[in-house]
Amino acid sequence: AQKVTQAQTEISVVEKEDVTLDCVYETRDTTYYLFWYKQPPSGELVFLIRRNSFDEQNEISGRYSWNFQKSTSSFNFTITASQVVDSAVYFCALSEGPGTYKYIFGTGTRLKVLA
Amino acid sequence: EPEVTQTPSHQVTQMGQEVILRCVPISNHLYFYWYRQILGQKVEFLVSFYNNEISEKSEIFDDQFSVERPDGSNFTLKIRSTKLEDSAMYFCASSERASGTDTQYFGPGTRLTVL
Repeated sequence: AQKVTQAQTEISVVEKEDVTLDCVYETRDTTYYLFWYKQPPSGELVFLIRRNSFDEQNEISGRYSWNFQKSTSSFNFTITASQVVDSAVYFCALSEGPGTYKYIFGTGTRLKVLA
Repeated sequence: EPEVTQTPSHQVTQMGQEVILRCVPISNHLYFYWYRQILGQKVEFLVSFYNNEISEKSEIFDDQFSVERPDGSNFTLKIRSTKLEDSAMYFCASSERASGTDTQYFGPGTRLTVL
């Protein structure tokens, strides 16, 4: 069965610290897609990144970077030099498409960045 | 930048009443979705919709729920007879193509409170 585990319920860091949010997934499919979404206090879900199972290259976007490792079924997210505006709940999600339409979300990690 | 919109932002209703949640997906998108998030919990898939048909639904999406695209722009979720446990944030999402090969973009959500 498909599953996404975000073991870190809540993380607190001081501004400018680096922080890594963990995501471990389970799937039997060889084709799947992984996502990260940010949910700020206002409640909306903001898309951050999509990665397919055939692309294990790490990605960097500004202060954000993602480390995808199929060998450990992990898709971790690192924020470098965190800022107060990064405070949010971050969700990792899995899609086994094509053929299915749903995303399976993890339980989320609440990140608090303290000034 | 195009975005998914949802109305109302907050709906309060009495148990047993019918509610309709409205969404306007991104205009060139063809696939539409509803998810819900009970307070403090993970986001859960309800249903996906394409070409005026339900393409996939979860166990949560029982006979009390229905979806419709009444015109060329709106996408609605109806709950026929609300229960206390239906209280949640409901997110609409849309994607240009089928979920597995494309990113779902989420609206800001409608918070439903059932009293």
